[in-house]
Amino acid sequence: DGGITQSPKYLFRKEGQNVTLSCEQNLNHDAMYWYRQDPGQGLRLIYYSQIVNDFQKGDIAEGYSVSREKKESFPLTVTSAQKNPTAFYLCASSRRASGEQETQYFGPGTRLLVL
Amino acid sequence: AQSVAQPEDQVNVAEGNPLTVKCTYSVSGNPYLFWYVQYPNRGLQFLLKYITGDNLVKGSYGFEAEFNKSQTSFHLKKPSALVSDSALYFCAVRAPHTSGTYKYIFGTGTRLKVLA
Repeated sequence: DGGITQSPKYLFRKEGQNVTLSCEQNLNHDAMYWYRQDPGQGLRLIYYSQIVNDFQKGDIAEGYSVSREKKESFPLTVTSAQKNPTAFYLCASSRRASGEQETQYFGPGTRLLVL
Repeated sequence: AQSVAQPEDQVNVAEGNPLTVKCTYSVSGNPYLFWYVQYPNRGLQFLLKYITGDNLVKGSYGFEAEFNKSQTSFHLKKPSALVSDSALYFCAVRAPHTSGTYKYIFGTGTRLKVLA
């Protein structure tokens, strides 16, 4: 997990509320990613960003939003439009998004629960 | 369609015995394959990857994986399992996405349980 931090470890959301998950990396990586993990479904890509001020939708972007104002930070907002937000959220980074051989490194995750 | 399959939800093995966690893939072009391990309530830790070259790849914690192009498989192996190896293991393949970028496609994970 070294080099990538996620906070909080646990997050509770009330119905209709937007919540923001933090992801910070000190690896000087250009690319950052958000995944959602549900039991028995593996990891699904929500959003990714290749460089500052740029990001792309992944496979399940609906109900989520991101920003990339700084190289080291890639926060994820779970909006009220996401009707089933309960999951484990993982942030990852890699040196680049365009290199075939790049390895992704993951943060420790945030577990989001709905009250 | 590009995909990764881990056919076993759980693998049980006795401590000291060899272990194998299976992975097969379907991807266009050259496959770039990865194995990760996840302990409870933690992020994924990188174990090893296959890019090119020798079909047997060695990684962290004594794990290795064998790439088999004809069978489109990338099975994870360890000669002698430890109780501390008990965890959730993910196979992933890197596939073209958009605008010259690549994305990871993950399998659904295999839970390894090593019995003392």
